[in-house]
Amino acid sequence: SQQGEEDPQALSIQEGENATMNCSYKTSINNLQWYRQNSGRGLVHLILIRSNEREKHSGRLRVTLDTSKKSSSLLITASRAADTASYFCATTYNNNDMRFGAGTRLTVKP
Amino acid sequence: EAQVTQNPRYLITVTGKKLTVTCSQNMNHEYMSWYRQDPGLGLRQIYYSMNVEVTDKGDVPEGYKVSRKEKRNFPLILESPSPNQTSLYFCASGPGLAVLYTGELFFGEGSRLTVL
Repeated sequence: SQQGEEDPQALSIQEGENATMNCSYKTSINNLQWYRQNSGRGLVHLILIRSNEREKHSGRLRVTLDTSKKSSSLLITASRAADTASYFCATTYNNNDMRFGAGTRLTVKP
Repeated sequence: EAQVTQNPRYLITVTGKKLTVTCSQNMNHEYMSWYRQDPGLGLRQIYYSMNVEVTDKGDVPEGYKVSRKEKRNFPLILESPSPNQTSLYFCASGPGLAVLYTGELFFGEGSRLTVL
């Protein structure tokens, strides 16, 4: 499978702290995206970074991409209890379809 | 309101009894896809469709069928369900090939299927 792999599988932090999640993949990609899933609900798109980009920001989210290491990171700054969710990376390659990783379960304690 | 609607949301059935999970989107999207989500395995793609009458297998197509007769609908058919198809299923849609570049897939709320 060409899907990305998130690390760690689970992360627990205190409100106000930063949360960092990582995604590694195996083949060259066209782009990489991050999605969020509240428990048992559908996924919601957060941010996309193209293969020729190195960093993108959206509000409290910061995504980096290192194509030489085939990895990406998602940083959530000043986390809130409402950020508690699972976060997935999705890779697009060969101008074909998207593949999702197994996700990181983030818990933000009030 | 732009949305992807799946039905049923919850279903308990028995082995071998054919069932269909419907998916409908109101955004005029060309691209639609089905995923199953299992603990520790993330989302795995079952089938996808780039447009009407165009469907392709994903990573785990065995035991499933799909059809795309209209742009808005993309039903998932389990001809003879088995217990290993017990899972949480998601339908998603996006604006054609642009989805590969804009990345914004829109997901339904999921259908939790249990096969006894």
